[in-house]
Amino acid sequence: AQRVTQPEKLLSVFKGAPVELKCNYSYSGSPELFWYVQYSRQRLQLLLRHISRESIKGFTADLNKGETSFHLKKPFAQEEDSAMYYCALKTDKLIFGTGTRLQVFP
Amino acid sequence: EPEVTQTPSHQVTQMGQEVILRCVPISNHLYFYWYRQILGQKVEFLVSFYNNEISEKSEIFDDQFSVERPDGSNFTLKIRSTKLEDSAMYFCASTPLGGLRLNTEAFFGQGTRLTVV
Repeated sequence: AQRVTQPEKLLSVFKGAPVELKCNYSYSGSPELFWYVQYSRQRLQLLLRHISRESIKGFTADLNKGETSFHLKKPFAQEEDSAMYYCALKTDKLIFGTGTRLQVFP
Repeated sequence: EPEVTQTPSHQVTQMGQEVILRCVPISNHLYFYWYRQILGQKVEFLVSFYNNEISEKSEIFDDQFSVERPDGSNFTLKIRSTKLEDSAMYFCASTPLGGLRLNTEAFFGQGTRLTVV
């Protein structure tokens, strides 16, 4: 079965604290994974994709095939990072997780 | 920067009524998608559309749903007889040639919130 799991609905941290948003997937093929972000009242935007191995806005995510995970990390959270974060698995469509709301307090 | 646009931003309709949600994908994109998100739940795939026909649809996309590209720019989702459980945020997305099979990105609209009363 193709599935994406984000176990945390809400993650609250203080500014400057490290952040890790968890994502696990289930897929029999070679996975391609993405993180999408949705800021308040805005559209879903691509944050990063695992094949690019890039860091966007200080966020990184490493695909761990052994653990079937693609956790999103940032060493020092900023208030402007507050948003909904969705992990997504790409097949012929995007399969999304339930999302994690990140709240960064000043 | 080109964007996917959706109208209206919020639609309230009575149960049993027909509703049409409109999307204008990015102009040179060829693959189009509808997703929905019931409040508090995950973003779910409804349907993909390419070359004027449905490529794939989920089990959610039953006979009450239809999609159309009536004029080469708009991409619409019609719900024939709305039910209370159709209340959700509906997102349109588009991708360039090759769709998600290639190394492309899906661009999402800002969503239409449908409330069925």
